[in-house]
Amino acid sequence: DAEITQSPRHKITETGRQVTLACHQTWNHNNMFWYRQDLGHGLRLIHYSYGVQDTNKGEVSDGYSVSRSNTEDLPLTLESAASSQTSVYFCASSDRRQGQTGELFFGEGSRLTVL
Amino acid sequence: AQSVAQPEDQVNVAEGNPLTVKCTYSVSGNPYLFWYVQYPNRGLQFLLKYITGDNLVKGSYGFEAEFNKSQTSFHLKKPSALVSDSALYFCAVRDNTGGFKTIFGAGTRLFVKA
Repeated sequence: DAEITQSPRHKITETGRQVTLACHQTWNHNNMFWYRQDLGHGLRLIHYSYGVQDTNKGEVSDGYSVSRSNTEDLPLTLESAASSQTSVYFCASSDRRQGQTGELFFGEGSRLTVL
Repeated sequence: AQSVAQPEDQVNVAEGNPLTVKCTYSVSGNPYLFWYVQYPNRGLQFLLKYITGDNLVKGSYGFEAEFNKSQTSFHLKKPSALVSDSALYFCAVRDNTGGFKTIFGAGTRLFVKA
């Protein structure tokens, strides 16, 4: 079965360190997204990509970057981790073929703690 | 700009009773609306969607949602709640200007008491 996997599922890091969260999907979807989930805020969009070499900023992109070198992967990098980036991060994908309505398929999440 | 509001942080209902989880939206043009459910320590799962057509849409696990254009609402409903329906529910609106990004509400926690 197709799926979307995130790693690591849990990570503790220190302020100022660089952190990369991996996302890998086997749906063959062109669209991929990174969200963060915080109490009271729901899910907020960090970055998204509509295909290889395409990346776009979401509503809370400061301090984060992504790259898309193939269809399957969209790693999220925190350049210099801050305590405000302690959160649960979700990767999602969707089909952009004509006629598809864009419902999202989510990974299980990566819980990041920045001390 | 598109936005979604879920006015209730929490909804409590007794098992067997009908449930409603409220959602209102703001979008230019025709909305693409979704409901997702999140169980503890899991990712979100798609429940149902409204794109066009019948205002009452049916989805997974016996859930349905009613689209009301005049009230800009898309409330989630179920005729008879189950304890296993207890979860976090998110309303969402998708970009309808050619893109695919989706904006989520803050979420509503549903507690179904036995």
